[in-house]
Amino acid sequence: ETGVTQTPRHLVMGMTNKKSLKCEQHLGHNAMYWYKQSAKKPLELMFVYSLEERVENNSVPSRFSPECPNSSHLFLHLHTLQPEDSALYLCASSQDSGHLGNTIYFGEGSWLTVV
Amino acid sequence: QKEVEQDPGPLSVPEGAIVSLNCTYSNSAFQYFMWYRQYSRKGPELLMYTYSSGNKEDGRFTAQVDKSSKYISLFIRDSQPSDSATYLCAMANSGNTPLVFGKGTRLSVIA
Repeated sequence: ETGVTQTPRHLVMGMTNKKSLKCEQHLGHNAMYWYKQSAKKPLELMFVYSLEERVENNSVPSRFSPECPNSSHLFLHLHTLQPEDSALYLCASSQDSGHLGNTIYFGEGSWLTVV
Repeated sequence: QKEVEQDPGPLSVPEGAIVSLNCTYSNSAFQYFMWYRQYSRKGPELLMYTYSSGNKEDGRFTAQVDKSSKYISLFIRDSQPSDSATYLCAMANSGNTPLVFGKGTRLSVIA
């Protein structure tokens, strides 16, 4: 148990559906992240929030829409996804958004399959 | 050339073997080097963290950084079946820059 909880753990959605991934951290951290992990590819940083403000967006398609209502919760809203978006989506948190010297704690991930 | 190269394996070793996992990188500005361990169906967890060149030891694990060769290693002594996981290297520049991850090496330690 890392203190970062993600739901749902598994999600299958059609290309026309709208769904959301949820993340909650119980560590009192100020920064939260969304990463994408695909087979045979490195972890890709998607979004970074620090104190509920987005500080990084690595050119992610607009069909992925993050929301950070407070420092403990992070959502990833999904709509009109493509099959190539099927991947493990990992939420993470750290004390602040400086990676250096800050341990990043990952959740267990949400397995997304787009059909 | 990819920024971080890591052989995906799989690597299979007998219990008790010394394991060597490696990453090479192209960005000479990287100063901070990390190894994460990811068990099947779990998120990655930080295993080792080093700054600049040199060695760092923690129990059965040793992280080694050779900045002149742009090469980092993770050694696991007396490997155990519980070490079976995917090991990801990650690195960052000085300053507030995102981590760059390798693809991960899948390790199996056979009892």
